[in-house]
Amino acid sequence: AQTVTQSQPEMSVQEAETVTLSCTYDTSESNYYLFWYKQPPSRQMILVIRQEAYKQQNATENRFSVNFQKAAKSFSLKISDSQLGDTAMYFCASLISGTYKYIFGTGTRLKVLA
Amino acid sequence: DAGITQSPRHKVTETGTPVTLRCHQTENHRYMYWYRQDPGHGLRLIHYSYGVKDTDKGEVSDGYSVSRSKTEDFLLTLESATSSQTSVYFCAISDRGLAKDTQYFGPGTRLTVL
Repeated sequence: AQTVTQSQPEMSVQEAETVTLSCTYDTSESNYYLFWYKQPPSRQMILVIRQEAYKQQNATENRFSVNFQKAAKSFSLKISDSQLGDTAMYFCASLISGTYKYIFGTGTRLKVLA
Repeated sequence: DAGITQSPRHKVTETGTPVTLRCHQTENHRYMYWYRQDPGHGLRLIHYSYGVKDTDKGEVSDGYSVSRSKTEDFLLTLESATSSQTSVYFCAISDRGLAKDTQYFGPGTRLTVL
């Protein structure tokens, strides 16, 4: 069975600092995608970053980057130069290629402190 | 932002009444999904559609039905609402083209069943 685990229910970080959110997953498939979504207090789910499992290079999007460790089935999100607007719930998700079913983790609530 | 709207955005209803939530997209994406979000569970897939009149069950489909008579509309019906269906409901869309399976979410509907 496909699972996604986020072991940090809550985290906080000082503004301008760097924070890393953890995510581990389990799948027996070789071709899949991984995602991080952000859900601010507005409740809108916003795609932060995506990673294709066959790509060894870690994805980056501005201040957001991932550390994708395929053998360890780990997919952590690093937020650099944290901003107050980064305060949100962050969800990790996986998708087996060719299927329709995303599997989401339970989320990590991040608070950026001024 | 992807053109996805949900209606209503908030609804309070009583146990035993039928409820229909609507998802409307302007992106002409083939795939549409309904999720529910509950504390401690992340997002869980209720039903999804891979084309007009083509739908299938997700992991928490009991008590829900869906219909898709047009590409742009995906309806979720609670046949007889129960308090356990109090939740936030999200619609999502995706396509298999350049978007490469990335899902984009609507703004959500908060449903309260009394």
